[in-house]
Amino acid sequence: QVQLVESGGGVVQPGRSLRLSCAASGFTFSTYGLHWVRQAPGKGLEWVALISYDGSNKYYVDSVKGRFTISRDNSKNTLYLQMDSLRAEDTAVYHCAKLHSDYQIADYFDSWGQGTLVTVSS
Amino acid sequence: DIVMTQSPDSLAVSLGERATINCKSSQSVLNRSNKRNYLAWYQLKPGQPPKLLISWTSTRESGVPDRFSGSGSGTDFTLTISSLQPEDVAVYYCQQYYSTPLTFGGGTRVEIK
Repeated sequence: QVQLVESGGGVVQPGRSLRLSCAASGFTFSTYGLHWVRQAPGKGLEWVALISYDGSNKYYVDSVKGRFTISRDNSKNTLYLQMDSLRAEDTAVYHCAKLHSDYQIADYFDSWGQGTLVTVSS
Repeated sequence: DIVMTQSPDSLAVSLGERATINCKSSQSVLNRSNKRNYLAWYQLKPGQPPKLLISWTSTRESGVPDRFSGSGSGTDFTLTISSLQPEDVAVYYCQQYYSTPLTFGGGTRVEIK
């Protein structure tokens, strides 16, 4: 079955960087668009970024544009999120999520990882 | 961007009673060519990833109990739990996938009265 396992979270000071990874298995990784979705403490779900199946298209929520970079390595079945210039408001659990349909960038999510906690604090 | 607004923020329902959650989009998520509404519902419990309940407004995911149902069209949608069970205590989110950025409602917390 589909498995998505995030890693790389932790406590980091404001202005520093962190890279999240999401290791995938159980599906043909190279044919699915993938997303990062976060949930800040006590808040709702917020979509963060998406990358198309081949990495040619990337989109970001306005609040992270220019600071976060989504990427993928289809040879390693791994999704990444490079987070630079982190701010306190980036504190959240970050989930990677897989779209239901292949070769799409907009669809509903049929699989989610458990998430990795990022805490930005001095 | 399409803004999704859920109501109420929270509700408490007696076991076996009906729970109704509303979701409104700032613009239609109906694709007129295929007549499908690009609206999904998720259930989120503490310490767990979101679980897909319903896609295309009303299509239940495999394994989701039939007490969960979705309805609506255009900009107004509803998730109904017909007979609330203890395991249904959770936060529920609607999500539109009509266009990017994909957006979620603010969530509705369901509790037992």
